[in-house]
Amino acid sequence: SQQGEEDPQALSIQEGENATMNCSYKTSINNLQWYRQNSGRGLVHLILIRSNEREKHSGRLRVTLDTSKKSSSLLITASRAADTASYFCATGDNAGNNRKLIWGLGTSLAVNP
Amino acid sequence: GAGVSQSPSNKVTEKGKDVELRCDPISGHTALYWYRQSLGQGLEFLIYFQGNSAPDKSGLPSDRFSAERTGGSVSTLTIQRTQQEDSAVYLCASSLTGLAQWNEQFFGPGTRLTVL
Repeated sequence: SQQGEEDPQALSIQEGENATMNCSYKTSINNLQWYRQNSGRGLVHLILIRSNEREKHSGRLRVTLDTSKKSSSLLITASRAADTASYFCATGDNAGNNRKLIWGLGTSLAVNP
Repeated sequence: GAGVSQSPSNKVTEKGKDVELRCDPISGHTALYWYRQSLGQGLEFLIYFQGNSAPDKSGLPSDRFSAERTGGSVSTLTIQRTQQEDSAVYLCASSLTGLAQWNEQFFGPGTRLTVL
């Protein structure tokens, strides 16, 4: 079953702008991960945020987690054409194992040069 | 070092035939996962191997699907009597262990299966 729901489903921005994607989930989680998928590099892990963390940064990426609202956001600052990809959130269950990451349907991001 | 590799990259088969998909995980990774991704969809968990433990097969959609992992390394996903709805990209991933709470999964490039 798909727990994570990303929105928007599709996003188109100009190079240099910021892109924000959101993910909502239904059950208690141990951690939430964001992945990027494009035709060139396949599916790649971006960042993991644990349930006791509220914000995390990695380069141009900023992830927030609000467990009370069961939601997370991924912000990409100063976007580049190379950021064009689909972005997925995936949640690890509250039992603390990552055997069955539950995946959302993804946000398709297009960064126009 | 080498990442996760999968073969073949593309497979076209006729309905009713059996197919085997192969995954070579990253050396030293004890956890291996198979997922299926249909066009425009997220990932659907199929099966998980952790070391020498019995695999978690709870995601396999039918008894036509099976998987093995030999010697704790290479894995083969077998689909018997393929159906058109089996058409999808099959992704393999590995991680250092599936038991820790925060191990990222490293994905292979996938096998695109088309059942005619």
